[in-house]
Amino acid sequence: GAVVSQHPSRVICKSGTSVKIECRSLDFQATTMFWYRQFPKQSLMLMATSNEGSKATYEQGVEKDKFLINHASLTLSTLTVTSAHPEDSSFYICSARDGAGGPGELFFGEGSRLTVL
Amino acid sequence: GENVEQHPSTLSVQEGDSAVIKCTYSDSASNYFPWYKQELGKGPQLIIDIRSNVGEKKDQRIAVTLNKTAKHFSLHITETQPEDSAVYFCAAANDYKLSFGAGTTVTVRA
Repeated sequence: GAVVSQHPSRVICKSGTSVKIECRSLDFQATTMFWYRQFPKQSLMLMATSNEGSKATYEQGVEKDKFLINHASLTLSTLTVTSAHPEDSSFYICSARDGAGGPGELFFGEGSRLTVL
Repeated sequence: GENVEQHPSTLSVQEGDSAVIKCTYSDSASNYFPWYKQELGKGPQLIIDIRSNVGEKKDQRIAVTLNKTAKHFSLHITETQPEDSAVYFCAAANDYKLSFGAGTTVTVRA
């Protein structure tokens, strides 16, 4: 089946630095990608919808200037956490939709665990 | 927006028994209902899904039912095995924008 790859899987950074997480669809073109955040023992919360070639759509309460999303190609979306703080420590997960015909299916990446010291 | 409620939050079953997880949703426009299994430190893995034009779907030991009128859907796992132990999430979506339930931690006792 289709594979979505996230990198890095784990990252530790100092408070105030920026961190970029990549989400790649390996064998299909993803016109739409989604970014989620998951705190320990909690559910996945949608942060934003990323459409190739256009601006991301952010969910209510998500700061677009803090969580920069770029979907520059049909196989890559990036999430940059700017000026990260300890409260941004979380598990970030992307999903991508294989839009090549039919209703499609969402495929999830393995997640990226961010720890901000 | 969509609100998905999931019950129970934890479920312990004896190996070989069945497990049932139930979810309700609020948005009548939702038309896609996937179920995910998540193991510790990993991303969610799709185990089965159902669309709004179908009432039931089965894949080996896993089945999902959907009642659009009542806005609820359920996951049934039969003949549970220790490897079924994980956190399970239901979700509802309109145009693939998923809203997740809170999750159910399933423990299968050997």
